[in-house]
Amino acid sequence: QVQLKESGPGLVQPSQTLSLTCTVSGFSLTSNSVHWVRQPPGKGLEWMGGIWGDGSTDYNSALKSRLSISRDTSKSQVFLKMNSLQTDDTAIYFCGAKSFAYWGQGTLVTVSS
Amino acid sequence: DVVLTQTPPTLSATIGQSVSISCRSSQSLLHSNGNTYLNWLLQRPGQPPQLLIYLVSRLESGVPNRFSGSGSGTDFTLKISGVEAEDLGVYYCVQSTHAPRTFGGGTKLELK
Repeated sequence: QVQLKESGPGLVQPSQTLSLTCTVSGFSLTSNSVHWVRQPPGKGLEWMGGIWGDGSTDYNSALKSRLSISRDTSKSQVFLKMNSLQTDDTAIYFCGAKSFAYWGQGTLVTVSS
Repeated sequence: DVVLTQTPPTLSATIGQSVSISCRSSQSLLHSNGNTYLNWLLQRPGQPPQLLIYLVSRLESGVPNRFSGSGSGTDFTLKISGVEAEDLGVYYCVQSTHAPRTFGGGTKLELK
C-alpha cells in the first residue's frame, strides 16, 4: 500500500539549512508527483513545492529563492533543502502524493538557537 | 498566485445538522484540458490532512457519501449532510489548476 514518511532533524539553528527526506513506498516516483506542505503551529497549510514524475519541479513563489526539491528514484526518496531558516519557519513539514490523497505523518521542525 | 478564500473561518454545528463551506478563487480553476482541479481536505487534530473530494465533486474512496462537492469556475462548495462527531476538524480547499498550487485558509468545524 502507499506510504510516505518524513525524516530529518527536529531542531535547526537560525540561518542554517534544513534538509528533509520523504521516503515513499507503494508507488513509483517516475509516475507520480510528490509535494512538500508545511503547517506552522496553530496555522493553516502552505504548499511549498513539488517534484513531478519527469523530474521537473515547481515552488511556492515566496520560498523559491531558498528552496530546492530533488529525488533519488532508486531509493524512492524525495528531498527538501531550504536555506537561511528563521524562527517563522518552525512548522510541521508534510510530504504528500497523488493529488494529496496520501500523506506522511509529518515531522516537526523547530528553528531555535 | 491564485488566492483561495474560504468562508466561514469557523463553523459551529450540532450532530446531524447539514453545513456548507465556501471556497472562492481569485481566478477560474477550469483547466485548458476541461478539468477543474479543486480538492477538499479534512485535517483532524494531530493528524495529517485527508482527501475527501477531488475534481470538484468526486468522492475519494472510503469517504462517506454525506460529503459532497459542487461548483465551477471560481465558486465551490463542500456540503456535509448530517454532521457526525468524526467530521470535526479543519477543512481546506486546494487548487492544482494553476502553478503554484495553493490552499485556502481553512474552515474549522466545531460542535455547538
